[in-house]
Amino acid sequence: GAGVSQSPSNKVTEKGKDVELRCDPISGHTALYWYRQSLGQGLEFLIYFQGNSAPDKSGLPSDRFSAERTGGSVSTLTIQRTQQEDSAVYLCASSLEGVQETQYFGPGTRLLVL
Amino acid sequence: GQSLEQPSEVTAVEGAIVQINCTYQTSGFYGLSWYQQHDGGAPTFLSYNALDGLEETGRFSSFLSRSDSYGYLLLQELQMKDSASYFCAVRDRFNQGGKLIFGQGTELSVKP
Repeated sequence: GAGVSQSPSNKVTEKGKDVELRCDPISGHTALYWYRQSLGQGLEFLIYFQGNSAPDKSGLPSDRFSAERTGGSVSTLTIQRTQQEDSAVYLCASSLEGVQETQYFGPGTRLLVL
Repeated sequence: GQSLEQPSEVTAVEGAIVQINCTYQTSGFYGLSWYQQHDGGAPTFLSYNALDGLEETGRFSSFLSRSDSYGYLLLQELQMKDSASYFCAVRDRFNQGGKLIFGQGTELSVKP
């Protein structure tokens, strides 16, 4: 596609429910990243996929968070048993292999946990 | 680990020049990137410096001094549309895959 796409654009859920967020990277980009951004804050790194290598999960805040990338393309970020503090914008980005400095971001999913 | 510091807010007038500074601490510096994010939008890549010196791209320039662990983004001929948040980010060679670590962002307000 022309750019990174994410779905849904907005998600409202109740505390304790599970949510799945989807990211479609730019075609040909082997690196994919997930970030979280709270209102007025910087980007918090969550997880990074690079080709067939084991993902870097060092940023996941708890074991309620997980992500997978199927077929080296689409990625899903899953948050289990959501908490109110999980409310944030979840941003996905992709880049060419070896060019992590230049990341292309999707529009984000705005998650609100009630 | 890594840490980055940049001012939280900067205000300037249309047509002026503004400089947004970024200091960093990393265990194995690779390069400094800058991203722009308009309110409610996605971050977009502006520039990347791996070597000392000034990189110019139109009205925007980015500078790096590796010896001082310091860089800045220079915006010239400011326009109202430049009002946004600007993030510096470092890539650390000793981090797995060299992932980017972002600063907290500088909110630039351009006044008429």
